[in-house]
Amino acid sequence: AQSVTQLDSHVSVSEGTPVLLRCNYSSSYSPSLFWYVQHPNKGLQLLLKYTSAATLVKGINGFEAEFKKSETSFHLTKPSAHMSDAAEYFCVVSGGNRDDKIIFGKGTRLHILP
Amino acid sequence: KAGVTQTPRYLIKTRGQQVTLSCSPISGHRSVSWYQQTPGQGLQFLFEYFSETQRNKGNFPGRFSGRQFSNSRSEMNVSTLELGDSALYLCASSPLAGGLSGEQFFGPGTRLTVL
Repeated sequence: AQSVTQLDSHVSVSEGTPVLLRCNYSSSYSPSLFWYVQHPNKGLQLLLKYTSAATLVKGINGFEAEFKKSETSFHLTKPSAHMSDAAEYFCVVSGGNRDDKIIFGKGTRLHILP
Repeated sequence: KAGVTQTPRYLIKTRGQQVTLSCSPISGHRSVSWYQQTPGQGLQFLFEYFSETQRNKGNFPGRFSGRQFSNSRSEMNVSTLELGDSALYLCASSPLAGGLSGEQFFGPGTRLTVL
């Protein structure tokens, strides 16, 4: 069985400061892990994905995430927040097995303070 | 390349009615997945189709059904609508057979309101 937990429903950071969005997962198999972003009134867009290659994954717009198997975590980070980063972020786990479902976290809304 | 398109964008129905939503994937994509997004439950997987076959299904009642046509376009049907079916329904396409394991490209969604 799979599950994903986003530890914070809201995160507020000042523009220019680091961003950390936390995600823990559970999976019976080697999972595929993703971060998607959803801007208001827009569809979801893939930020980055982990599929058992390098544990540090670089994505678009300066975001990156580190896969830590021992901690079952896949936290999303960005060194310096920009106003345009204000959005909702979803951590997603997919087992890749035919019987496994794709599970979305509840989402973290990122607020950027001027 | 055009993105994923969903029609209609907004829909208002009453309890007991049925509704059909349409999704056109990105050209060349053969995998189409459907999701329901609500404030309370978040994003939940409904089903995935590839080459006109349902490959995977989420935990939704049988009132929710779908199909995929030979041109990869997909429809989702909800019968006997309930108030709780009010949601944003998202469609996503992928070029891969294992669409759920790779990048998915999402449409803007159909906002369904059930009165």
